[in-house]
Amino acid sequence: SYELTQPPSVSVSPGQTARISCSGHKLGDKFACWYQQKPGQSPLLVIYQDNRRPSGIPERFSGSNSGTTATLTISGTQTGDEADYYCQAWDNNTWVFGGGTKLTVL
Amino acid sequence: EERLKESGGGLVQPGGSLRLSCGVSGFSFSSYWMHWVRQVPGKGLEWVANIKEDASETNYVASVKGRFTISRDNVQSLLYLQMDSVRAEDTAVYYCVKEVRYAFDSWGQGTLVTVSS
Repeated sequence: SYELTQPPSVSVSPGQTARISCSGHKLGDKFACWYQQKPGQSPLLVIYQDNRRPSGIPERFSGSNSGTTATLTISGTQTGDEADYYCQAWDNNTWVFGGGTKLTVL
Repeated sequence: EERLKESGGGLVQPGGSLRLSCGVSGFSFSSYWMHWVRQVPGKGLEWVANIKEDASETNYVASVKGRFTISRDNVQSLLYLQMDSVRAEDTAVYYCVKEVRYAFDSWGQGTLVTVSS
């Protein structure tokens, strides 16, 4: 079965750039998307189709996907961006999530 | 505004059954693939099942295949998940999710299913 691998945690200082990676076999050949989940809340889509932002998502959120790695980049990270982030891709009629990355802003 | 609201969660014994429902509003339900995604409290997300707009196709994660059944009522804008032969490892919050452009763009608030004797 297909697997997506994320680092368990990433730390960044406020105002700096956070990068969260997601690795999978030939992931660049698939569409990757990213979700933000804050404690007690449902996940929120922040990037779809590798690099597209849904309406209402700040421009500081961006994405890329090539080769075996998709990356979520948060520029000018704010304390309110602290959350769990999950990548996701579709493979062979099933949907797969990465294990999630806890972003700490301190 | 799009709204999805799950119901039907609760405590069920191992080997028992439970049916989850999801009512939606604010979008044309019959025009979208719909999914169920679950999350063990404090853990990651796991896709469970999906169903095509006209219910002509369904797919399941291997761990629930043959035990869970996803279905929909496009007249009443309802999504269902029939859970049979449940196991302790099915304990999770279950989310009803709308798919668009290969992404899950709307989520319900979730309903907790606890499998325990």
